[in-house]
Amino acid sequence: DAEITQSPRHKITETGRQVTLACHQTWNHNNMFWYRQDLGHGLRLIHYSYGVQDTNKGEVSDGYSVSRSNTEDLPLTLESAASSQTSVYFCASSQTGSEAFFGQGTRLTVV
Amino acid sequence: AQSVTQPDIHITVSEGASLELRCNYSYGATPYLFWYVQSPGQGLQLLLKYFSGDTLVQGIKGFEAEFKRSQSSFNLRKPSVHWSDAAEYFCAVGNTNAGKSTFGDGTTLTVKP
Repeated sequence: DAEITQSPRHKITETGRQVTLACHQTWNHNNMFWYRQDLGHGLRLIHYSYGVQDTNKGEVSDGYSVSRSNTEDLPLTLESAASSQTSVYFCASSQTGSEAFFGQGTRLTVV
Repeated sequence: AQSVTQPDIHITVSEGASLELRCNYSYGATPYLFWYVQSPGQGLQLLLKYFSGDTLVQGIKGFEAEFKRSQSSFNLRKPSVHWSDAAEYFCAVGNTNAGKSTFGDGTTLTVKP
C-alpha cells in the first residue's frame, strides 16, 4: 500500500544545531507540504512544493528550509534550532484536486 | 486571506447522543472544504470533503457535513456518537491543491459513557 512516512518520530536537539526531518511518500503525489502543530493553533503551513525543484514559503517559514530533488521526498531543515521551534511537525502529500494524506508526525523538542 | 474558525474548543457529549461541530470559513473563491480527525499521537485522517455538487456530504465513520454558502459554514454532524469518536477534529479550507489548506484551531471531543 502507498503511504507517507516521517522520520524520526521523536527528536531532541540543542539550541543552535541544524536538524533535518525526513518525509517520504510512495503515492507519487506532485504536492508535498510541511505543517507544524502547536497547542491551540491547529496546523500552520511551513513550506510546500508542487513538484521537483519547486519550493514555496508558507505562513511560518522563518528558520526553515526545504528542497525537492525527487517526487518522493521533501526534507525539512531547521537551520539553527530555537526553543520556539519545539513542536509537532506533519508532512502531507496530495495530488491536485484531491485530498491530502498526512504522515504520523515528528515530535521535536529543542532544549 | 483565507481563514477558518471553529468556535468550540472543547465539546462533551454522551455516548449515543447527536453531535454537531461548527466550522466557519472565509475564502475569496469557491472553497474546497475538509474535515479531519486526529487521535492522540496520530496524524490527521480525512473524514470528508466538499469540492462541488451536493452540499450535503457523507464521510467515513457515519459523519456528514453540510456546506452552506450563505452562512460560510461547513458544520460536521453525527446522529449517534460512539466512545471511539473521542478525538480532535479539524476543519480546513483550501484550493485545488488540497494539502495547501488553512486549518482551524480544532475542537476536542470528549464522549461520556
